[in-house]
Amino acid sequence: AQSVAQPEDQVNVAEGNPLTVKCTYSVSGNPYLFWYVQYPNRGLQFLLKYITGDNLVKGSYGFEAEFNKSQTSFHLKKPSALVSDSALYFCAVREGTGGFKTIFGAGTRLFVKA
Amino acid sequence: DVKVTQSSRYLVKRTGEKVFLECVQDMDHENMFWYRQDPGLGLRLIYFSYDVKMKEKGDIPEGYSVSREKKERFSLILESASTNQTSMYLCASSLGTGQGRNTQYFGPGTRLTVL
Repeated sequence: AQSVAQPEDQVNVAEGNPLTVKCTYSVSGNPYLFWYVQYPNRGLQFLLKYITGDNLVKGSYGFEAEFNKSQTSFHLKKPSALVSDSALYFCAVREGTGGFKTIFGAGTRLFVKA
Repeated sequence: DVKVTQSSRYLVKRTGEKVFLECVQDMDHENMFWYRQDPGLGLRLIYFSYDVKMKEKGDIPEGYSVSREKKERFSLILESASTNQTSMYLCASSLGTGQGRNTQYFGPGTRLTVL
């Protein structure tokens, strides 16, 4: 069965510092992996995805994520955090061989302090 | 840009009422989804639809039903609302299921309170 774990409920980082939001997954077969961001009182916005190819994926707003097959991880990163990055971040996984279901993690709240 | 709209941002209903949540997408997407979002639980799939008049149960379908009479519209129905259905409801759509087609696009959400 597919599953996603976001081990940190909350991540705090100072503006200008690098940030990492962690995600590990479990899926049979090749995974499709996604990151979404949710700003207050808004729906989820797509940030980036990994389907195949280069393990480093670049997405919106300067975010990137690295797919690590041996560690079954897909951590979200940004070299220099902004206060406006403060939001709720969701990692999601879908089995690449078919089906419709995408499983979402519980979410990690990122606070960026000025 | 894909646009997914939901009929209400905030809704307050009473226990036992029948509740309709509407979702419309404007990009001819095949797949549509209803999730509920609760703190600490992430998003949980209630129902999804991969074609007009087709529907599949997600992980938590109890107490809910859905309707997809037209491709662009996917409705979530709470047959008899209960307080444990107080939640944020998110609708999403995706182009299809193949590689490159399965990114989901979300509406702004409906925060439903059942009193």
